[in-house]
This record gives sequence, structure tokens and C-alpha cells, in this order.
Amino acid sequence: QVQLVQSGAEVKKPGASVKVSCKASGYTFTSYGISWVRQAPGQGLEWMGWISGYNGNTNYAQKVQGRVTMTTDTSTSTAYMEVRSLRSDDTAVYYCARMVGELPPEGTGYAFDIWGQGTMVSVSS
Amino acid sequence: DIQMTQSPSSVSASVGDRVTITCRASQGISSWLAWYQQKPGRAPKFLIYAASSLQSGVPSRFSGSGSGTDFTLTISSLQPEDFATYYCQQANSFPLTFGGGTKVEIK
Repeated sequence: QVQLVQSGAEVKKPGASVKVSCKASGYTFTSYGISWVRQAPGQGLEWMGWISGYNGNTNYAQKVQGRVTMTTDTSTSTAYMEVRSLRSDDTAVYYCARMVGELPPEGTGYAFDIWGQGTMVSVSS
Repeated sequence: DIQMTQSPSSVSASVGDRVTITCRASQGISSWLAWYQQKPGRAPKFLIYAASSLQSGVPSRFSGSGSGTDFTLTISSLQPEDFATYYCQQANSFPLTFGGGTKVEIK
């Protein structure tokens, strides 16, 4: 079946970096993009950015631009997200999600049909 | 950036009730809106795309409507498994943005 499986929980100190992985299975990885979405404790969903599974093109949210890098390894159908210079407000569950659709006018917009199980990243001194 | 505002932030309802959640975009997004359901400790689940198209496998008691800036998600007859938090997401342009969520609680 189609699924995304993420790496395990991480505990980091402020200023450190973390790299979360998201392994896809059950579909052609290069046919879809992957977005990363985070959720701070008790809060809503925040989109962080997108990477194309086809050519590695990216689009990052301004809030994390410069601190986040998204990459893919098509040989293993795995997406990665690295966050640098971690702060306490980066403490959150990080989800990867498969993107479906195309931006208008070519399509009906991008939505997220398959989600990983989430990776808890805790930042504390 | 397009801001998405949901109301109410929470609603108390009983099994069998009709529940309606509203989502407003800060600028027109045509019909390019999606809805998700999230239960505690779980990843979100994709419910509706293009404002009113039901994702495969989603029960028909869920429906969506709207275009431009104003959208609604309706649950026609609330079931025990529907108690959760619901999020809208604009699919029109980057950066993709979510509403703040609406928690549907047991009355």
C-alpha cells in the first residue's frame, strides 16, 4: 500500500541541527512532490515547504527559509528535511506528506493525500 | 501570503447532529481548498479537495462547498468517530497555508 514512513524522535540542544527522513513506498516516487508540515504542541498545522520528487525543485516558507534544506534520494525513494540552528520554538511534530494536484491554472491546486506518521523533534537545553 | 480563518474554533455537538465549519480566505482562491481531519496523536487525514470533491473512501456524510473566499465543511449526521479537529488548507498558491483548526467535541 502507499505509505510514508518517517524516522524516529529526536532530542536536540538549541543551535544544533536535525535531519528527518521520510521513506516512500507503494507508488512512483518521482511522480509526486513531498511537503513537510509541522505542528507545535497543542497548535495547528504549519507548511514548511515542498520538494519535487521529479527534479528536486524546492519552495520554502519564508519563516524557515535559510534554516531548512529539503532533499531527496530517488534511488531509495526517500525525502529528507534538515533544520539548522534549532530553537526552542522548533519543538514540534514534523510530518512529511505526499502532494497531489497541480497549481492553478493547470490543476485544482496542491493538497496532501498521504501523510507520514510524524517525527517528534524536541529542542531543549 | 493567503491567510485562512476558521470558525468556530470549537463546537460541541451530539451524535446525529449536523455540524458546519466555516473557512474564509484573505483573498479569492477560486475552488482551490482542501479539508483534513486530525485525531489526537495521529497524522491528518485527507477528506475533501477542490472545495467539494470527496476523497476516495471518505463517508458521504462529509460535504464541502464554497468558492472565492468563503467555504464550508458539513457533517450531515455526526458519528462517534467524527470527533476530531478539522483544518482547511488553501491549495491555490505557495506558500500553502492552513486554517487554525476547528475542534468538534462531544456535547
